[in-house]
Amino acid sequence: EAQVTQNPRYLITVTGKKLTVTCSQNMNHEYMSWYRQDPGLGLRQIYYSMNVEVTDKGDVPEGYKVSRKEKRNFPLILESPSPNQTSLYFCASGRLATGSGETQYFGPGTRLLVL
Amino acid sequence: AQSVTQLDSQVPVFEEAPVELRCNYSSSVSVYLFWYVQYPNQGLQLLLKYLSGSTLVKGINGFEAEFNKSQTSFHLRKPSVHISDTAEYFCAVTASGGSYIPTFGRGTSLIVHP
Repeated sequence: EAQVTQNPRYLITVTGKKLTVTCSQNMNHEYMSWYRQDPGLGLRQIYYSMNVEVTDKGDVPEGYKVSRKEKRNFPLILESPSPNQTSLYFCASGRLATGSGETQYFGPGTRLLVL
Repeated sequence: AQSVTQLDSQVPVFEEAPVELRCNYSSSVSVYLFWYVQYPNQGLQLLLKYLSGSTLVKGINGFEAEFNKSQTSFHLRKPSVHISDTAEYFCAVTASGGSYIPTFGRGTSLIVHP
């Protein structure tokens, strides 16, 4: 089944404790992205990647890191989480082949609470 | 750069009534337009998209949207909603031939009451 998976789905942590949220897709997509969703603010892009070893900042990259060592994986790293990073996080992927009309495929989301 | 405005943050409606969720966009170039749906506790999934051709686009679950270039709108409609349509709906835009990165609206919460 074609899908984007994220782990963990739910996470409670404390300020300053490093964490990683994994994202994996099995559709051989070039493009991958991380979003955070907050009430009243909709979806905001954190980082994206157009291919292996190519990453770029989105609208709200502060406090986050990513890496793209393999095509299928795009982990999101919070080196020192803070309470303002409490949010719902989505990973997405898509093909680049035919350009900007392509559909994005989303993971199920990771709900993070930073105490 | 593009921008998207979803005019209603919440739309309450009774079951079997028609609904329209409004989306307006701003762009200096031609665009592609998308509607995504997010059911409770799930990720977003594509409902429908407009790339070219007929301005009336049909999607999954009986939804349709009409692209109106002169009014820069892409409103989503359904003639008769079900309880299961309760969800968050996001309009998104990309520049045709431009950046792959979509710009999302802030979302409209559709709440269907029995």
